[in-house]
Amino acid sequence: GAVVSQHPSRVICKSGTSVKIECRSLDFQATTMFWYRQFPKKSLMLMATSNEGSKATYEQGVEKDKFLINHASLTLSTLTVTSAHPEDSSFYICSASAGTGNSPLHFGNGTRLTVT
Amino acid sequence: QKEVEQNSGPLSVPEGAIASLNCTYSDRGSQSFFWYRQYSGKSPELIMSIYSNGDKEDGRFTAQLNKASQYVSLLIRDSQPSDSATYLCAVYNTDKLIFGTGTRLQVFP
Repeated sequence: GAVVSQHPSRVICKSGTSVKIECRSLDFQATTMFWYRQFPKKSLMLMATSNEGSKATYEQGVEKDKFLINHASLTLSTLTVTSAHPEDSSFYICSASAGTGNSPLHFGNGTRLTVT
Repeated sequence: QKEVEQNSGPLSVPEGAIASLNCTYSDRGSQSFFWYRQYSGKSPELIMSIYSNGDKEDGRFTAQLNKASQYVSLLIRDSQPSDSATYLCAVYNTDKLIFGTGTRLQVFP
């Protein structure tokens, strides 16, 4: 149980274009999902908390107008990287918890974004 | 001070040995602690969770928690080359899961 599916796994786009990444909880409902970003040989950095039916909560330093998050249902959150630049190239990973309180997070397989 | 600290390694151990991975955290009020394993290019996978002081064992893995010292560790017995990965310590800070930088473990035959 507690499977999180993320799509696409890999995407290459040109500078200035937008990319949408989908995150789905397959066998549970998630009122909250989390988006992380990881640069090579670095740890996971929380970008934002996605809340079903309301606005996402962004971490300090993360541009909400650049990283658009939509959590329209209990099983789907999307992250759109708008006007992508090469410095946005990174590994983006979504996660969700199947439990309540401080339950462990289960991660999607990640999306490797390369902006050329 | 970083919220969750780990030695980046690499920690090299021979096959069959015990690997000991350590983590300290700054928020004394933290209640939930996790160890994740991450292979290169992959997303993290949960290995262990621990919520109370003491040891918790699951197969070859043992998590140890000492809240007074704000210290959590992971022991891997009978280490295998397939255990070679980066191990991430994660701690809940209010409602966010904060990760350490990870310790790279290398198990050599």
